[in-house]
Amino acid sequence: DVKVTQSSRYLVKRTGEKVFLECVQDMDHENMFWYRQDPGLGLRLIYFSYDVKMKEKGDIPEGYSVSREKKERFSLILESASTNQTSMYLCASSFWGGVNEQYFGPGTRLTVT
Amino acid sequence: SQELEQSPQSLIVQEGKNLTINCTSSKTLYGLYWYKQKYGEGLIFLMMLQKGGEEKSHEKITAKLDEKKQQSSLHITASQPSHAGIYLCGADKEFDDMRFGAGTRLTVKP
Repeated sequence: DVKVTQSSRYLVKRTGEKVFLECVQDMDHENMFWYRQDPGLGLRLIYFSYDVKMKEKGDIPEGYSVSREKKERFSLILESASTNQTSMYLCASSFWGGVNEQYFGPGTRLTVT
Repeated sequence: SQELEQSPQSLIVQEGKNLTINCTSSKTLYGLYWYKQKYGEGLIFLMMLQKGGEEKSHEKITAKLDEKKQQSSLHITASQPSHAGIYLCGADKEFDDMRFGAGTRLTVKP
């Protein structure tokens, strides 16, 4: 079975802190994605990557950066956390090309105080 | 505004009843995906539709993509408590990225 794991299920950080969220997949997927999910807004794409060291902005990249140094690992970085970044963060991965069936991690619920 | 509009936003049904969730796009759909999310967890892929008029079923869940490829419906027959969760539709974009609707929260009362 495909497994996508995220470093934490729950995280509480203070305003201004640098926050790292990590995602690891074990299916050799080329594509990896970071979303945030907020009530009434659904999933919004922050960044995605289709190869090592490659990244593409999604719809809401402001305040975030990403890193993909290895194929299986995709990190989301909040350079200076703010309260409006309190949200559920979901990571996903998929094969490049063909049917874009994405496999999701369990999510990280981040609270910024 | 969202490219994908889902309706209803939430739904409460009695166990055993049928229900339909709709997903309408402002653009032609080239790949439409249905996912289910249990509360507080990640999404699980249900099915994918590509061709106008296509219909797929998995157990008691049937999804259709209309001929004009701008609307999809998800129909659950004889709902059970295990069907409860959030249903999201997603659509392919230019690369392998995807955009999602806001989701429909389904509650099934025993």
